[in-house]
Amino acid sequence: RKEVEQDPGPFNVPEGATVAFNCTYSNSASQSFFWYRQDCRKEPKLLMSVYSSGNEDGRFTAQLNRASQYISLLIRDSKLSDSATYLCVVTYGNKLVFGAGTILRVKS
Amino acid sequence: GAVVSQHPSWVICKSGTSVKIECRSLDFQATTMFWYRQFPKQSLMLMATSNEGSKATYEQGVEKDKFLINHASLTLSTLTVTSAHPEDSSFYICSARDAAGIPYNEQFFGPGTRLTVL
Repeated sequence: RKEVEQDPGPFNVPEGATVAFNCTYSNSASQSFFWYRQDCRKEPKLLMSVYSSGNEDGRFTAQLNRASQYISLLIRDSKLSDSATYLCVVTYGNKLVFGAGTILRVKS
Repeated sequence: GAVVSQHPSWVICKSGTSVKIECRSLDFQATTMFWYRQFPKQSLMLMATSNEGSKATYEQGVEKDKFLINHASLTLSTLTVTSAHPEDSSFYICSARDAAGIPYNEQFFGPGTRLTVL
């Protein structure tokens, strides 16, 4: 079983749509949780951290459920520029463990 | 923000040659740097953790004699792929952790090096 699992997609959505990504992780000792964004042939960039209380940054909302070992990302009012691969990331000690990513394609 | 550079950004080499990739933290000191590899449509996989002034810690399945890591200063780590083979072709990405940064765990990624071995 992979340490971090994500639906690979792709999610094809029209501009303005709301889209949600889910992620599960296997190691209950994981300490910190993040969503990264990776554009084609580029390095991953931190999108936001994820907290149990839930956190929101503009059109993006992230949620963590430690009991279910489940992380989510909600994107509202999708823009063309949101098209990318979204990586669910958890930490274990010093290490970042990446999911394989979910592909989002926003179309006009 | 913290900036990490990598050089070269891409490299094509013949099978059997060695390739060195540099990772630099430009505006902060990085006591720890990480080397990742990403194959197409797969996730980033941690290869090794590099600590300044000490030997790197390699992940299970990564050959330390093939992937030589040197972290001689607080701003530079190098990865040398020795005797490269076509199966080593991949996207190699480094990251660096700011020892003085908050949150301490945040890693800043370099732009990656695309290696193609013919």
